[in-house]
Amino acid sequence: LAKTTQPISMDSYEGQEVNITCSHNNIATNDYITWYQQFPSQGPRFIIQGYKTKVTNEVASLFIPADRKSSTLSLPRVSLSDTAVYYCLVDLVSGGYNKLIFGAGTRLAVHP
Amino acid sequence: EPEVTQTPSHQVTQMGQEVILRCVPISNHLYFYWYRQILGQKVEFLVSFYNNEISEKSEIFDDQFSVERPDGSNFTLKIRSTKLEDSAMYFCASSEAPGLVSNIQYFGAGTRLSVL
Repeated sequence: LAKTTQPISMDSYEGQEVNITCSHNNIATNDYITWYQQFPSQGPRFIIQGYKTKVTNEVASLFIPADRKSSTLSLPRVSLSDTAVYYCLVDLVSGGYNKLIFGAGTRLAVHP
Repeated sequence: EPEVTQTPSHQVTQMGQEVILRCVPISNHLYFYWYRQILGQKVEFLVSFYNNEISEKSEIFDDQFSVERPDGSNFTLKIRSTKLEDSAMYFCASSEAPGLVSNIQYFGAGTRLSVL
């Protein structure tokens, strides 16, 4: 599985847009890029997944350049409740199961 | 929205005792997983389960651990003889058969296991 690198922490203020970039230089052709969010003492929660270009859902956008060696999670107009740890993962399309390998994630703190 | 449910939310046990952590995966999902997270550390993969057998397990998942799907809805993790270092949050996850797209895993809220 490709290793990912993301900032350890970020700070933002309510109402701002937050962009968290993840590097995955060794991403394989069949890998998808998936982001999870985790609040303290809760399980990781799926946010968004993409393969290339841009994906948007009701929560976030995911930007993936053509070479797919990085990706950026964009959270529009964050609120205090977006304070959490955000994980970038790449996972193999295998036709079967796959284990998720979590890194340390990015700890986002949203301030009033 | 369908969700993975885990019980109990907190389990306190004495060292050497057996514990069973229970999970009800999302009903149409076929792949099941257990992860753990020691306080302040990363989420770690323990085991994956499909078609009533273990698909893969990590080095953490030693002979003290076992998993079972006793009926059509529950998925359990048993720790035979708990150690202090087993204290952690244990998360169950499930995913659909992925087919041609990457499977998204949905996690439960976790069971906090405290071994005294």
